[in-house]
Amino acid sequence: DAGVIQSPRHEVTEMGQEVTLRCKPISGHDYLFWYRQTMMRGLELLIYFNNNVPIDDSGMPEDRFSAKMPNASFSTLKIQPSEPRDSAVYFCASRGQGMGPQHFGDGTRLSIL
Amino acid sequence: KQEVTQIPAALSVPEGENLVLNCSFTDSAIYNLQWFRQDPGKGLTSLLLIQSSQREQTSGRLNASLDKSSGRSTLYIAASQPGDSATYLCAVTSSGNTPLVFGKGTRLSVIA
Repeated sequence: DAGVIQSPRHEVTEMGQEVTLRCKPISGHDYLFWYRQTMMRGLELLIYFNNNVPIDDSGMPEDRFSAKMPNASFSTLKIQPSEPRDSAVYFCASRGQGMGPQHFGDGTRLSIL
Repeated sequence: KQEVTQIPAALSVPEGENLVLNCSFTDSAIYNLQWFRQDPGKGLTSLLLIQSSQREQTSGRLNASLDKSSGRSTLYIAASQPGDSATYLCAVTSSGNTPLVFGKGTRLSVIA
């Protein structure tokens, strides 16, 4: 049974470039979450979707960040233009209806030089 | 605003020891609490989920308790093993429609 799949696993790019992170949630899950993890701030929620609709994007740090969920099986998180302070591990997680556990992908380790 | 604190930030114990990890939260009006495990370079794996109406949950050598009124949860690991070495995170949600709020985790090392 496939879990949450994220790509790429690692991304190294130069400041100013556009970065696109991808996530495939578990089939049948209605909720999708994007998190960012850093040593200083821990795990922070950026945005989450319910049935492909963005519900809360108050955690998105600034307009350089955008997220989409065009269908139930795919979501993207885009950073344009990227900055060194965006370097972190970005996680995607999904959950079904009701209050079962969230399931996390293995994350994308992003380094902006 | 809900805040979750985990103490200690790091813990090192010899193999075979029983240990307790602590989690506290500022708003006791929670819906449920989850404990996760994170291995280096990996995502989070859900270990135990306690609904607000429950006092504890058990899975193998793990037991999580919840005291909602005092804003505390503990994760008890019995007979620790080197394979238990990981970071353990606690997270709470205040309703069925709100996301989890995470603590910063406790980094556990079990020494053989």
